[in-house]
Amino acid sequence: KAGVTQTPRYLIKTRGQQVTLSCSPISGHRSVSWYQQTPGQGLQFLFEYFSETQRNKGNFPGRFSGRQFSNSRSEMNVSTLELGDSALYLCASSLGSPGEAFFGQGTRLTVV
Amino acid sequence: GIQVEQSPPDLILQEGANSTLRCNFSDSVNNLQWFHQNPWGQLINLFYIPSGTKQNGRLSATTVATERYSLLYISSSQTTDSGVYFCAVPDTGNQFYFGTGTSLTVIP
Repeated sequence: KAGVTQTPRYLIKTRGQQVTLSCSPISGHRSVSWYQQTPGQGLQFLFEYFSETQRNKGNFPGRFSGRQFSNSRSEMNVSTLELGDSALYLCASSLGSPGEAFFGQGTRLTVV
Repeated sequence: GIQVEQSPPDLILQEGANSTLRCNFSDSVNNLQWFHQNPWGQLINLFYIPSGTKQNGRLSATTVATERYSLLYISSSQTTDSGVYFCAVPDTGNQFYFGTGTSLTVIP
C-alpha cells in the first residue's frame, strides 16, 4: 500500500512570506503528526491531528498552524517566515492515537 | 516532556563488525520506536517495540520498559547501515519525543 506522501519535497521562500505543506497519510490512518528537524534542535513535535481535531501541540509560536481534512490529509502552514524556520518538516501517520508512526519523505524548506 | 538520551552519539565501524546502540528514557512509556534516517531525510521504521525483544534480519532490539531503556543491535554491519539512528517514545497520543540520534558510519 502507498506510504505517507508529503508535498512539495523542496521549497525556497523569502522571509516574511507564508508557506503551506501537505501530508497525505497511509490509507485508513486517522492520525497525522508534524515534526520539525534542524541541526541545532533535532526533531521537535509541532502538532497532531486525529479525526480533524488537534489533539496535541508542541512548543512553537502561533505562526505555525495546521489542519486536517475529512479524508485525513493534513496541511501545515507557517506565516511570516523567518530564517530560523529553515528545516526539514516531517509528517507521520498512525492508525490510532497512540499508534505506530510511519513517516513521509519530508519537505525541506529554505528561507532566504 | 519525556527526556530521551541516546548513546553513543557517533560510531565508526569496520564492515562486518557488530554494534549496540542504547536509548534511555525518563518516564514509563507504552510505545517505543527505532528509526533509521536515510540520506534524503526520511525516517525508516526499524522496530515498534514497547517491551521485549524483536529481530529482523541482522537487526534486533530489546526494550526493558521497567528499567526505561532500549537497545538496538546491528550484527555484521554493512556500508548501507550507515546513517543516523533515532529512538522515539510518545507522551500523550502520538506526540513523540526523539533522542539526538546515533550517527553510524560503516567503512569498507
